[in-house]
Amino acid sequence: EAGVAQSPRYKIIEKRQSVAFWCNPISGHATLYWYQQILGQGPKLLIQFQNNGVVDDSQLPKDRFSAERLKGVDSTLKIQPAKLEDSAVYLCASSLSGPGANVLTFGAGSRLTVL
Amino acid sequence: SQQGEEDPQALSIQEGENATMNCSYKTSINNLQWYRQNSGRGLVHLILIRSNEREKHSGRLRVTLDTSKKSSSLLITASRAADTASYFCATGVVNTDKLIFGTGTRLQVFP
Repeated sequence: EAGVAQSPRYKIIEKRQSVAFWCNPISGHATLYWYQQILGQGPKLLIQFQNNGVVDDSQLPKDRFSAERLKGVDSTLKIQPAKLEDSAVYLCASSLSGPGANVLTFGAGSRLTVL
Repeated sequence: SQQGEEDPQALSIQEGENATMNCSYKTSINNLQWYRQNSGRGLVHLILIRSNEREKHSGRLRVTLDTSKKSSSLLITASRAADTASYFCATGVVNTDKLIFGTGTRLQVFP
């Protein structure tokens, strides 16, 4: 089966500019996650969708970050305006089920550098 | 904040040796998982252990879970250079859908 697709793989922007990342999960996976991974750290959950509804966005900086999941399939994560500290890899993951057996399949990630 | 703290932060061993990584967490869980991340790549699921299990094996991997101490360990036996990667524990937080990752252990296996 095809994996989780993410684009772009790399993006370099100036601070205060905007950027958008796209994710296409594995077909049939109802749950979609966006994680932020700063260099040398573990992934930090930003937002979790179940179908096209938000399950958890408690750690999403809502003043600058937004995310949507179109028709319960693809998802986009947007940052506007970007700050230097947003430099990180943005990982998208999907899973078949929610609590109890939530094994995630990750995409390769989108690496953002903010100058 | 991160749910899991891993120890050691970095580990260097020779091929053929065993590697042990430890994970401690803070709240109640329904399962604990281990993932591997090669440099510049996404994470790959290795193994899942449920909260009512104490030990699980998969190939050269052995995972233990002690819910009374809120800790887990991952043992990789007979390590290979290809095992060089970062390893993360991730906890499925009970009564939620969240999967929270730890800080990771960087493993270097020298040929």
